[in-house]
Amino acid sequence: AQKITQTQPGMFVQEKEAVTLDCTYDTSDPSYGLFWYKQPSSGEMIFLIYQGSYDQQNATEGRYSLNFQKARKSANLVISASQLGDSAMYFCAMREVQGGKLIFGQGTELSVKP
Amino acid sequence: GAGVSQSPSNKVTEKGKDVELRCDPISGHTALYWYRQSLGQGLEFLIYFQGNSAPDKSGLPSDRFSAERTGGSVSTLTIQRTQQEDSAVYLCASTPRGSKNIQYFGAGTRLSVL
Repeated sequence: AQKITQTQPGMFVQEKEAVTLDCTYDTSDPSYGLFWYKQPSSGEMIFLIYQGSYDQQNATEGRYSLNFQKARKSANLVISASQLGDSAMYFCAMREVQGGKLIFGQGTELSVKP
Repeated sequence: GAGVSQSPSNKVTEKGKDVELRCDPISGHTALYWYRQSLGQGLEFLIYFQGNSAPDKSGLPSDRFSAERTGGSVSTLTIQRTQQEDSAVYLCASTPRGSKNIQYFGAGTRLSVL
């Protein structure tokens, strides 16, 4: 069965510093997609970044990058130059090959300190 | 609006009552998903619609839950005879055609069953 594990319930980072949020996954499918979403206190899930299992390079979107290590089955999110507005819950998710439903981890609550 | 729209944003009901939650996907998006997020938890898949295909109902927790999608657009999630454990945020997402199948979420409906 597919599974996503986020081992950090909460993280603190100083404003302007970089932070890495951990995510490991388990699947037997050779083709899959990995996603990171941000959920601020307002509750909306905001898409951040996507990595395909066959992508040769790590995905980047502005200050977000995904450290994809396929052999280790990890897909860590790196946020550079943290901002106060980055304080939120962050969810790692994996898409099943069939149907496309997302399987989510339990989330990491990030707090950015001024 | 350009995003996924959900209504109502908040719903308070009494145990045993039926409720209907509505989702308006992004125009032109072919797939629609419902998820449930209990307090402090990750998202749990409920049901998935793709075009005219039979929906994937594998995530519905009981036969009190049902959903329909009319005209390939608006979807309604119905919970009959609500129970206190149904209290959660119900999130809807839609997906355009494409290999990444990025899911874009609405702000959710917060359901409270008293």
